[in-house]
Amino acid sequence: GAGVSQSPRYKVAKRGQDVALRCDPISGHVSLFWYQQALGQGPEFLTYFQNEAQLDKSGLPSDRFFAERPEGSVSTLKIQRTQQEDSAVYLCASSLAVSSEQYFGPGTRLTVT
Amino acid sequence: AQKITQTQPGMFVQEKEAVTLDCTYDTSDQSYGLFWYKQPSSGEMIFLIYQGSYDEQNATEGRYSLNFQKARKSANLVISASQLGDSAMYFCAMREGTGSARQLTFGSGTQLTVLP
Repeated sequence: GAGVSQSPRYKVAKRGQDVALRCDPISGHVSLFWYQQALGQGPEFLTYFQNEAQLDKSGLPSDRFFAERPEGSVSTLKIQRTQQEDSAVYLCASSLAVSSEQYFGPGTRLTVT
Repeated sequence: AQKITQTQPGMFVQEKEAVTLDCTYDTSDQSYGLFWYKQPSSGEMIFLIYQGSYDEQNATEGRYSLNFQKARKSANLVISASQLGDSAMYFCAMREGTGSARQLTFGSGTQLTVLP
């Protein structure tokens, strides 16, 4: 069956540009998480959706980061006015329920030059 | 304080041998879950094994087992009969309590290299 997919897999942005990263969760999965993984580190939580509701955005590093999941399926993470410190792999994960195991996508590697 | 500590940045193991990857955790919650994920060079995080804080038996999944020592707050991953394909980054993670978000908190990882 189809797993979590993310696009694009790689994105190079010039400093100051806006980017949009897409996540397609496993069909029927209610919960969706975004994580940021810096080089050589473990992933760090950014935000969480249950269906279309964004229940926790405490991990978003600044107000330049914005996430949405308008129909409770596909989610988009948007970063405005990208900075070099935004360079990282952005991972999306989904789970059937909030307490189930999370299945991760392949990630989007963002490089800001 | 770090919530998840993995003290081994890199480990080497001979093919067909067993290896233990260390993980200690810190939480004041009574209810929590511990996870191990594998991240090959392709980047995808692959779920390996789960242990709940109330589970009395150590979790096992094929060649993976979790050595859960609650009093010591450790949750070490044991890989038996290592294979070349096991070479990857391994992350220990914790999900705490009963809050609505239930996000995972990850350690810094251990890079495992299996030698032929």
